[in-house]
Amino acid sequence: AQSVAQPEDQVNVAEGNPLTVKCTYSVSGNPYLFWYVQYPNRGLQFLLKYITGDNLVKGSYGFEAEFNKSQTSFHLKKPSALVSDSALYFCASKGGSARQLTFGSGTQLTVLP
Amino acid sequence: DVKVTQSSRYLVKRTGEKVFLECVQDMDHENMFWYRQDPGLGLRLIYFSYDVKMKEKGDIPEGYSVSREKKERFSLILESASTNQTSMYLCASSSPTRAGELFFGEGSRLTVL
Repeated sequence: AQSVAQPEDQVNVAEGNPLTVKCTYSVSGNPYLFWYVQYPNRGLQFLLKYITGDNLVKGSYGFEAEFNKSQTSFHLKKPSALVSDSALYFCASKGGSARQLTFGSGTQLTVLP
Repeated sequence: DVKVTQSSRYLVKRTGEKVFLECVQDMDHENMFWYRQDPGLGLRLIYFSYDVKMKEKGDIPEGYSVSREKKERFSLILESASTNQTSMYLCASSSPTRAGELFFGEGSRLTVL
């Protein structure tokens, strides 16, 4: 069975500082990994994904994520946080031929002005 | 623009009532999903469908059923609502050619009294 862990319920960062939202995974076979963002009272939006290839994946709104196979991690990063980045972030995984995603519990990111 | 529309943003129902949550997508996607979102638990998959009249159980199907009579429409049914089904329900769709890139509706917040 696959699982995704987001060890931090809440991350606070000052505007302009770099941010990291952590994710670790457990997937049989080669993992497909994803980040989604949810703004208040909205559905989730796809940010980026890792399927194969370069370990550093770039996505929407200046976000990127680093795949680390040895640490089974897929942390979300941004070099300079904006107040508008404040939202709920979800990591998700998909194993092999599965059609469905497994989501983590979410991390609330707050960027302080 | 891609769109997934959930018929009701907010519903209040009584214990024992039958509840229908409707979801329509305009992207001709084969795959459709129903998740429920609860604080601290992330998104949990209830049911999904990869073709008309096809359905598969997700992680928490108990107390729910689904219907997919047309490709664009995927309905979630609570036969007899209970208070522990108070939650945010999210519908999503995806194409099998873009693995894991889900498009979400804005959610239906159900309160069962």
